[in-house]
Amino acid sequence: DAGVIQSPRHEVTEMGQEVTLRCKPISGHNSLFWYRQTMMRGLELLIYFNNNVPIDDSGMPEDRFSAKMPNASFSTLKIQPSEPRDSAVYFCASSPGGPDTQYFGPGTRLTVL
Amino acid sequence: AQSVTQPDIHITVSEGASLELRCNYSYGATPYLFWYVQSPGQGLQLLLKYFSGDTLVQGIKGFEAEFKRSQSSFNLRKPSVHWSDAAEYFCAVGSGTYKYIFGTGTRLKVLA
Repeated sequence: DAGVIQSPRHEVTEMGQEVTLRCKPISGHNSLFWYRQTMMRGLELLIYFNNNVPIDDSGMPEDRFSAKMPNASFSTLKIQPSEPRDSAVYFCASSPGGPDTQYFGPGTRLTVL
Repeated sequence: AQSVTQPDIHITVSEGASLELRCNYSYGATPYLFWYVQSPGQGLQLLLKYFSGDTLVQGIKGFEAEFKRSQSSFNLRKPSVHWSDAAEYFCAVGSGTYKYIFGTGTRLKVLA
């Protein structure tokens, strides 16, 4: 199994630009999570999808952040416009569902200048 | 409210020495417990998990953890540390739904 795939691995952009992060979950997993990791706040859950439907987006920081899951094998996290405080590592994780193990991708390191 | 505490931010051990990383949780019911490891520049990899049953859980890379309900702890142990174990270790608690609460992590340094 290829595991969770994220792209790009690194992204450097300027403040005000749109950023799109991509994730391909493990085949057969019906739950998908986006997390953000910073030194100050640790790992934070941004949004949770189940069967492609957003179930909990309470962790999305503000309206500049949006996430979609158009099908079972693809999800995007978009930031528009980006700000320097969005600089972090963004992880996608997938799970067979419920309380089961979450499998993490390698992450996207985002730097907003 | 649910919470996870990893009291040690940094730990340094010599290669070949034993290791114990502490994790304490606060949760009303029986939790689902996890240990993940994160190597520099990498994602989180599951080391082991506890859902129910035997309270001593074996994981990958020679790690084990013991669930102690009376102490609300789930400490991670390894009898002999290898230089490749240097990484950051995260304890997580699941509520039985999709939500995990992660600890703040313990960074392990291994001396040759």
